[in-house]
This record gives sequence, structure tokens and C-alpha cells, in this order.
Amino acid sequence: GAGVSQSPSNKVTEKGKDVELRCDPISGHTALYWYRQRLGQGLEFLIYFQGNSAPDKSGLPSDRFSAERTGESVSTLTIQRTQQEDSAVYLCASSRDRVFPGELFFGEGSRLTVL
Amino acid sequence: QKEVEQNSGPLSVPEGAIASLNCTYSDRGSQSFFWYRQYSGKSPELIMFIYSNGDKEDGRFTAQLNKASQYVSLLIRDSQPSDSATYLCAVNIGWAGTALIFGKGTTLSVSS
Repeated sequence: GAGVSQSPSNKVTEKGKDVELRCDPISGHTALYWYRQRLGQGLEFLIYFQGNSAPDKSGLPSDRFSAERTGESVSTLTIQRTQQEDSAVYLCASSRDRVFPGELFFGEGSRLTVL
Repeated sequence: QKEVEQNSGPLSVPEGAIASLNCTYSDRGSQSFFWYRQYSGKSPELIMFIYSNGDKEDGRFTAQLNKASQYVSLLIRDSQPSDSATYLCAVNIGWAGTALIFGKGTTLSVSS
């Protein structure tokens, strides 16, 4: 597709369950970002992938959160043993980092609700 | 700790007025600065970027950067109700290969 694709768009889960969120970036975009946005709040940086370099994981809030990306393709964000405070919209973005860093194209987000 | 600070607002201006949105950042080594707009329930979209000290104009939007004061602002002239949104300031420490850090955003409301 032409844009960043995220799935699922909505996910309701029970506390303690694991969830996986998927992001398919724009083809050719070397950089991929995950952000979290709680209701009425700003974007909280989680993790950043740039090509085959080691990812910047400095924003991951706890060891329950992990993310993977193979090359410059799809990324998966995994949250283990979900807690109610994990409820938020998880936004994925990609960019042509080496050409125009900072011009991020965002997906529509995955809204996670933990009951 | 990299921090980007914005007044959350809401900032209310009448239609046709100038809206002024401000942002400060903590890392003196920051190289590039961006303004994103986010409509309610939508994802952010880039509206302006600035790399050098001074002003940069694009239509009704002007970005202003003062690296010595670690301050970046966005002016919106002739504000329209369609400009009502949350404006997010974002900072990139390096040119490339580093994460983009966002402020919490300022909500702008333009009344007709």
C-alpha cells in the first residue's frame, strides 16, 4: 500500500494477556518508529529502528515491552502480561531517514484497551 | 534526558488572529526541529521543519528558531477554524540515525 499500515486497528484484551501489534512501513523507508499516545496526551517515544543498525530501545517503559523488525520491512511490537496502564493508541511511523530525517509518516494507530 | 516542553493550552484565538505556539528543548546539541499537526482522533502530520536560526515561512505558517535560547515557535497568521488542532513540537538530536522526540502538544482552538 501507499501508506503505513497498522493492525489490528482495535484490540481489547484482559489484564495479564500478551498482545502483538503489527506495522507495515512505506516501501523504501529505512527508519521505523513506535510511539504510545495515551488519551489526551502527547506522543511517548518507545523504540526506533534504522536499517540494520541496533535499535534505539531507550523509550521502552519496561521489560514487558519488546519490538522486532527484520531488515527494512514489517515490525512487531509485543506487550507481555498487559496492565491497564498499557491502554493507549500505539502509533507506528516510518521515514526516509537518510534523505529527510524527521518527516515521519504515521499509520492510523492500534488502539489497545486492557480490561 | 531529552525533553521537549510545550504549554498544553488550550490556546484560544478568534478567526483571523495570529496564533503563537512555543516550544523549548533541553538538549543543546539538537539539530533539527519539526512542527506536526494532529486533528482529534487522527494521526500527526508534518507541517513545518526548520534547521537554522531565524525564521522560515510557508504560507500562513512561520517557524522561528533560536538555538542559543533553545526555543522554537510556530506562528499561524490569519487563523482559521480549520486550524483547530493539537500542534506537536518535535526535535531530532542528530541529522539522521536518531529518534525524533515529541513534546506533549498545544491544543489550539480558533473560534469563528
